[in-house]
Amino acid sequence: SSELTQDPAVSVALGQTVRITCQGDRLKWNYASWYQQKPGQAPILVIYGRNNRPSGIPDRISGSSSEDTSSLTITGAQAEDEAAYYCNSRDSSGKHVVFGGGTKLTVL
Amino acid sequence: QVQLQQWGAGLLKPSETLSLTCAVSGESLSGYFWSWIRQPPGKGLEWIGEITHSGSTNYNPSLESRVTISIDTSNNQFSLRLSSVTAADTAVYYCARDGSGSYYPYYYYYYMDVWGKGATVTVSS
Repeated sequence: SSELTQDPAVSVALGQTVRITCQGDRLKWNYASWYQQKPGQAPILVIYGRNNRPSGIPDRISGSSSEDTSSLTITGAQAEDEAAYYCNSRDSSGKHVVFGGGTKLTVL
Repeated sequence: QVQLQQWGAGLLKPSETLSLTCAVSGESLSGYFWSWIRQPPGKGLEWIGEITHSGSTNYNPSLESRVTISIDTSNNQFSLRLSSVTAADTAVYYCARDGSGSYYPYYYYYYMDVWGKGATVTVSS
């Protein structure tokens, strides 16, 4: 399957740890990348590869992978982490790109 | 610093052709794939297609019959055309730079590290 599956919504208490997952067969051989999108803004890349953060992304945001699931973990969630998070990867053909449906993170 | 600036018509009638351009500054088109992505109001991200600096393209199978992505290396920009638009094509359209890599022995990763600000396209009669 070329699909990537994400939970539609997740919530976390301020300062606590939250994990957002992305599941798909393709992720057995590919690392998902993760994007944060706040309302009215373009997505920004937050995690790529095994656990790489672009410049400016805080180290409380990390990535991991196990079997067919990639995870984004926010340790000590802050109010500014409230956003939609999307994963993506190439599909099994290698020629197309697929996005997960997105997870809306609420920081309580 | 790489920047992507997009422009194009924002209001179309059904059956017209959507046309957007993305100008790249601070980086050559060479060595990367360049993508178009869209996001309907209140919905998730959908990949439309991509192009290399040499003009090779890949398209989303669900849109392939209507999509053309082209590249203009002399002006360091690439463009999207989507024909026969309907209300379902109403969305914010983004351009982005693609990157990829691999880990021994056979693990791969792909990402979009630079995005344009987005262009809102509305299809309405």
